[in-house]
Amino acid sequence: EAGVTQFPSHSVIEKGQTVTLRCDPISGHDNLYWYRRVMGKEIKFLLHFVKESKQDESGMPNNRFLAERTGGTYSTLKVQPAELEDSGVYFCASSPTRGTEAFFGQGTRLTVV
Amino acid sequence: QKEVEQNSGPLSVPEGAIASLNCTYSDRGSQSFFWYRQYSGKSPELIMSIYSNGDKEDGRFTAQLNKASQYVSLLIRDSQPSDSATYLCAVRGNTPLVFGKGTRLSVIA
Repeated sequence: EAGVTQFPSHSVIEKGQTVTLRCDPISGHDNLYWYRRVMGKEIKFLLHFVKESKQDESGMPNNRFLAERTGGTYSTLKVQPAELEDSGVYFCASSPTRGTEAFFGQGTRLTVV
Repeated sequence: QKEVEQNSGPLSVPEGAIASLNCTYSDRGSQSFFWYRQYSGKSPELIMSIYSNGDKEDGRFTAQLNKASQYVSLLIRDSQPSDSATYLCAVRGNTPLVFGKGTRLSVIA
């Protein structure tokens, strides 16, 4: 069974550009989470989807970040325009039901220069 | 603000010894507790989950939970060099997973 997959694995973009990260959760997992780890800091929650609905987006830093999960399958996280402080590793995780273990993808390392 | 605290380490133990990793959390309403292992440059990998007070054993790993003290720990018996990684404590209540910064473990051969 395929795990959580993320694309791309690395992205280097210039300040002001747009980047879109993609996450394919484990098949059948209704819950999808985005997290971010900035260098030297802990992994921080960004938002949570249940199927296609945003359950909690309290961790989204600002309105330059837009997440979607059309059809309740894969999700995208767009950063527009990117700023230097957006650099970090963006993790996606999924779980079958809320409260159970979440399984992580390999992450996308975003570098904004 | 809900917090999860871990000693960042590094924690160094000799091969074959017991490694003890500790975590405290601030939210008394927390219900689910997880330990993830993260190798450098890799994603967090779930190794243990615990939901009720007491001990839970799985192979060389034992998770211990004390909700009254708001404390959760992970013991690794017969530590191996391959156990060298960062161990992340994660806690969930009515909110999504909150992570600690992780403890870096180094097992010396």
